[in-house]
Amino acid sequence: DAGVTQSPTHLIKTRGQQVTLRCSPKSGHDTVSWYQQALGQGPQFIFQYYEEEERQRGNFPDRFSGHQFPNYSSELNVNALLLGDSALYLCASSLARGSSNQPQHFGDGTRLSIL
Amino acid sequence: DAKTTQPPSMDCAEGRAANLPCNHSTISGNEYVYWYRQIHSQGPQYIIHGLKNNETNEMASLIITEDRKSSTLILPHATLRDTAVYYCIVRPAGGTSYGKLTFGQGTILTVHP
Repeated sequence: DAGVTQSPTHLIKTRGQQVTLRCSPKSGHDTVSWYQQALGQGPQFIFQYYEEEERQRGNFPDRFSGHQFPNYSSELNVNALLLGDSALYLCASSLARGSSNQPQHFGDGTRLSIL
Repeated sequence: DAKTTQPPSMDCAEGRAANLPCNHSTISGNEYVYWYRQIHSQGPQYIIHGLKNNETNEMASLIITEDRKSSTLILPHATLRDTAVYYCIVRPAGGTSYGKLTFGQGTILTVHP
């Protein structure tokens, strides 16, 4: 039973570029959440997708956008990259968006470095 | 969102029980307590969660006080591989914040040989 998988594992971009990160949820999960983790900090919630729609959003600018596909996989897009966007981007999946009794399971993230 | 308070760091001897405390004095009646851990360079790993009753699984036990204002995660026989940052999270059951996990700074647990 595959867990949450993310690609790529590492990525280097320059300021002003755009990036797309990908996530495949754990088998049977239908909800995907994205988090940003700066060095030495805890993960910060970006947004959550369910039924192919953004359902909840954290305090991130609209340079951060996403998509969920019919197979529940998801993409995180970041435009106009800034040096401060350098971080570990984590995807988490869960079952049943509406239930706080369902744990989120995380992938190992994509390490994004902005030069 | 209910705030959690954890000690910044703790040490434990290998083979002994590790007891990690968490204060969440503003927790609401329908909010769950979740514990995750993060080993260096990996994503957070789900450990356990609970609402009111004590919970146990293959990884750990969760003890929640009767007033629900604090909890303790217990790793019964710590190993070197348990060295990680441990996060205690209170998860809203509804409203606009229920979908997200709010991570604090966590507790750095170091298990010594």
